[in-house]
Amino acid sequence: EAEVAQSPRYKITEKSQAVAFWCDPISGHATLYWYRQILGQGPELLVQFQDESVVDDSQLPKDRFSAERLKGVDSTLKIQPAELGDSAMYLCASSLTGLAGDKETQYFGPGTRLLVL
Amino acid sequence: LAKTTQPISMDSYEGQEVNITCSHNNIATNDYITWYQQFPSQGPRFIIQGYKTKVTNEVASLFIPADRKSSTLSLPRVSLSDTAVYYCLVTTLTFGKGTMLLVSP
Repeated sequence: EAEVAQSPRYKITEKSQAVAFWCDPISGHATLYWYRQILGQGPELLVQFQDESVVDDSQLPKDRFSAERLKGVDSTLKIQPAELGDSAMYLCASSLTGLAGDKETQYFGPGTRLLVL
Repeated sequence: LAKTTQPISMDSYEGQEVNITCSHNNIATNDYITWYQQFPSQGPRFIIQGYKTKVTNEVASLFIPADRKSSTLSLPRVSLSDTAVYYCLVTTLTFGKGTMLLVSP
């Protein structure tokens, strides 16, 4: 069964450093999502891509976070500089078209757990 | 956006049926109801989705009353491996805090 791949699985960094996370969605999936999940909370959407275009980044802290999906396939989420409050699980998900709205299933990767010291 | 309300936690024993109810009073006409399951240190996994009445798959059943203001996820004969957090979504991209289900021997 095809899966969403993420790396690294774990990342420890010091505050003020830069970190980057990588996601490879299921082949053929046009829509890619990045979520942040704080311990004890549900995932919170940071950014949504439709192919290489950003559809929604309203919850992305743009002063320090950036995301790209240059060729419309894999994606990178970057934080610079990292802050203590960024410690969380960063989840990537993909869906086939992103055009079916609520009806379309999202497939999640295993996540990257970030700890900022 | 429609907001969902679920119990924070539930306890059960192996072999029992578990019903988790989600309230979504402001559901829109074109909204679907989707449930995800999440184990620790893993991403959420799709369980079931419905629009109205009843939907059943190999894992669970989803009951939706006519007014669609709530829904109930039913897990038949749970096992220890069903211990997880269960999320009810009305708007696909909005997760709440979920329900932590603990299944004991």
